[in-house]
Amino acid sequence: NAGVTQTPKFQVLKTGQSMTLQCAQDMNHEYMSWYRQDPGMGLRLIHYSVGAGITDQGEVPNGYNVSRSTTEDFPLRLLSAAPSQTSVYFCASSFGQGRANTEAFFGQGTRLTVV
Amino acid sequence: GNSVTQMEGPVTLSEEAFLTINCTYTATGYPSLFWYVQYPGEGLQLLLKATKADDKGSNKGFEATYRKETTSFHLEKGSVQVSDSAVYFCALNQAGTALIFGKGTTLSVSS
Repeated sequence: NAGVTQTPKFQVLKTGQSMTLQCAQDMNHEYMSWYRQDPGMGLRLIHYSVGAGITDQGEVPNGYNVSRSTTEDFPLRLLSAAPSQTSVYFCASSFGQGRANTEAFFGQGTRLTVV
Repeated sequence: GNSVTQMEGPVTLSEEAFLTINCTYTATGYPSLFWYVQYPGEGLQLLLKATKADDKGSNKGFEATYRKETTSFHLEKGSVQVSDSAVYFCALNQAGTALIFGKGTTLSVSS
């Protein structure tokens, strides 16, 4: 049972570099989302998707891009990394609302440092 | 918009003490409510949930009751253990969107 798999676990970027954080789930979940966790700020929603081909912005979308071409994958792209994007990033997936079980499953996180 | 407010920490308790972490929410309609726990260096995992008013979620000695009249979902445990030390997040979920979290409450339990 893989659940939600995030790669990489750790990454150091230089300011201005771009990269993609990978997220894959094998539970056939409709909903997938990306959060960033910063001290004292809790988890803030970056982008989310309610199904393949459908994405929407969360609370803090600037500087990030997403796409959902398959049910399984939901990559997060940093277009031009900035020190303010230093954070721990979590991907989550769940069945949609209205299902009996709406529990979200989380990946182990990616710790990103931008220098 | 939807939001979740939970008490700020850190909360520091001795082993076997009673725990309450307050959580209130703002939402239209009838969201599902959750408590997630994050142990050091790990991702979040579901602790308990409630999907309608007056439901009580429970797990590992923790309980929370969905109170629509007070828009609250307070987390309680009668006797905490050192192993309960973690960050606790209250969250809500509605159709067509993703989970919305509170800022988290750090619990530290000493023996």
